[in-house]
Amino acid sequence: GQSLEQPSEVTAVEGAIVQMNCTYQTSGFYGLSWYQQHDGGAPTFLSYNALDGLEETGRFSSFLSRSDSYGYLLLQELQMKDSASYFCAVTPSGTYKYIFGTGTRLKVLA
Amino acid sequence: EPEVTQTPSHQVTQMGQEVILRCVPISNHLYFYWYRQILGQKVEFLVSFYNNEISEKSEIFDDQFSVERPDGSNFTLKIRSTKLEDSAMYFCASREPHTSGGAGELFFGEGSRLTVL
Repeated sequence: GQSLEQPSEVTAVEGAIVQMNCTYQTSGFYGLSWYQQHDGGAPTFLSYNALDGLEETGRFSSFLSRSDSYGYLLLQELQMKDSASYFCAVTPSGTYKYIFGTGTRLKVLA
Repeated sequence: EPEVTQTPSHQVTQMGQEVILRCVPISNHLYFYWYRQILGQKVEFLVSFYNNEISEKSEIFDDQFSVERPDGSNFTLKIRSTKLEDSAMYFCASREPHTSGGAGELFFGEGSRLTVL
């Protein structure tokens, strides 16, 4: 089976940098994705790591280390609109389904 | 911009009743999904659908649930004999085509909130 654990909540101030971690136990997967979900909204795609290392998209960066069973999402220059829940997700090998982590609720303070 | 649409946005039903949640995936997408999210919890995989048949399903997706693609555009989730614990947000999603492995982005609809009384 697969399990992805994330801290339940993180708080940071506007303009700061925040890192949200994802640790997983899975027998094999294609890559690690990240999704953002505002309250009452649908999850929206942020980034995908197929290989180990860092992927950067504007203020967002995502990192994967398969040897450490670990990944993270890094948000820079935090804005109030970044307050949301963030979910990591994996696609287990041989499947097309996405298994989501427990999610981290980010609160950005003024 | 193409989007996944879901109806109804909110449905209230009595325990034991049947509900049908409807979705129109993005037209050129080939993989379709239903996910469930109980308030404040994680997004849980229910079922994936490809080439007019179920591709994978979770342990949650038991005989109470069924999916159908009755025509070329709609994708439905039927929940029979609803229970209190079925109250949740149900999201439909479709996956962009021409991608392999886990690389495809999932496009989610805005969800259908089901309340079972």
